[in-house]
Amino acid sequence: SQQGEEDPQALSIQEGENATMNCSYKTSINNLQWYRQNSGRGLVHLILIRSNEREKHSGRLRVTLDTSKKSSSLLITASRAADTASYFCATDDYGQNFVFGPGTRLSVLP
Amino acid sequence: DSGVTQTPKHLITATGQRVTLRCSPRSGDLSVYWYQQSLDQGLQFLIHYYNGEERAKGNILERFSAQQFPDLHSELNLSSLELGDSALYFCASTRRSGAREAFFGQGTRLTVV
Repeated sequence: SQQGEEDPQALSIQEGENATMNCSYKTSINNLQWYRQNSGRGLVHLILIRSNEREKHSGRLRVTLDTSKKSSSLLITASRAADTASYFCATDDYGQNFVFGPGTRLSVLP
Repeated sequence: DSGVTQTPKHLITATGQRVTLRCSPRSGDLSVYWYQQSLDQGLQFLIHYYNGEERAKGNILERFSAQQFPDLHSELNLSSLELGDSALYFCASTRRSGAREAFFGQGTRLTVV
């Protein structure tokens, strides 16, 4: 079964707006990662947050992690049309594999 | 460019056939993971190899097999293909087993007709 579950499944916003995606997971984790996938292409690693971290920033990305609620959020600020993609959270199953959620499809309209 | 190379990019084959997908990890990466992505199933973990040895198995069908060679490239063999095997197949590599960031190839799009 999926470890991470993203919410919403799809999100449509205007350029310049902020986009927030949420991820919930079921078991304890070492870390949680976010990846982006442009249509039909490979996944690209965006950011990793460790289980002992609460917030992390990278450029226009901000990730939060709440281990008590087993949830994470990804905020993309000042979105651009080029941010249009699917976004996946993934948990690291102690090195055995990465377990991905079903993803959020983000559309940024010009 | 992630540094992970997958070939071929596209493959069209008939039901019942067998195909081999190839993955070359980033230079120095010892771990290779295979994933299947279909529209209704998301990214499904198939198998993980580390330095030539199988480390973990996901929901990989018995008709599918994989191996990692001494030069660290990996092959995923799919046999007795069915229409439902049509999907994108990705490999990803990491520096070592348990390393945090996975680098993905561009995938092989398999269409079974």
